[in-house]
Amino acid sequence: GAVVSQHPSRVICKSGTSVKIECRSLDFQATTMFWYRQFPKQSLMLMATSNEGSKATYEQGVEKDKFLINHASLTLSTLTVTSAHPEDSSFYICSARGGGPGGPGETQYFGPGTRLLVL
Amino acid sequence: GQNIDQPTEMTATEGAIVQINCTYQTSGFNGLFWYQQHAGEAPTFLSYNVLDGLEEKGRFSSFLSRSKGYSYLLLKELQMKDSASYLCAAMDSNYQLIWGAGTKLIIKP
Repeated sequence: GAVVSQHPSRVICKSGTSVKIECRSLDFQATTMFWYRQFPKQSLMLMATSNEGSKATYEQGVEKDKFLINHASLTLSTLTVTSAHPEDSSFYICSARGGGPGGPGETQYFGPGTRLLVL
Repeated sequence: GQNIDQPTEMTATEGAIVQINCTYQTSGFNGLFWYQQHAGEAPTFLSYNVLDGLEEKGRFSSFLSRSKGYSYLLLKELQMKDSASYLCAAMDSNYQLIWGAGTKLIIKP
């Protein structure tokens, strides 16, 4: 299957600082990338969908000024958690769509996730 | 509205067979995905069905009935490493994935 990398895998930061997470599709071009958050023992929660070269579409309840998403190229999307607080501590997972069964409805492949701990 | 239903938890024995069911209701339909997620890790892609019938891939098979809005994931010759959550997701007319809450599969020796 297609490979998606995510960096860093784990980050600890102080409250009030900003953290940037990178998501890269390594062997395919991803026109669409997704950012999810998952709290322990809970379901994946879609935060936003980003298409290359355009503004991200945020799900209801997700603050776009707090979670800045940039999808500058077909292989890179970044999520910046601004002014992080302890309640932002979570497992953040990106996925990229492409490289799977044909057509626009291509498979989503997930990055390994980033575990964020805000102290 | 759009909805995915799958059991919360299932238990099976090593070496046995288990079937995880999923029913879906979506606005339009462009396929049904199954993902595996081990604790503390990101989901990994298992299968994709868009036509009715059974798709077999090694020990794992996935079935789809579009008329019934129903799919199942069949795991054979269960191994301890198969202990994980299995996520069912249906793709709607906008090519967006609608996720189920996942089925936690516990394998006992």
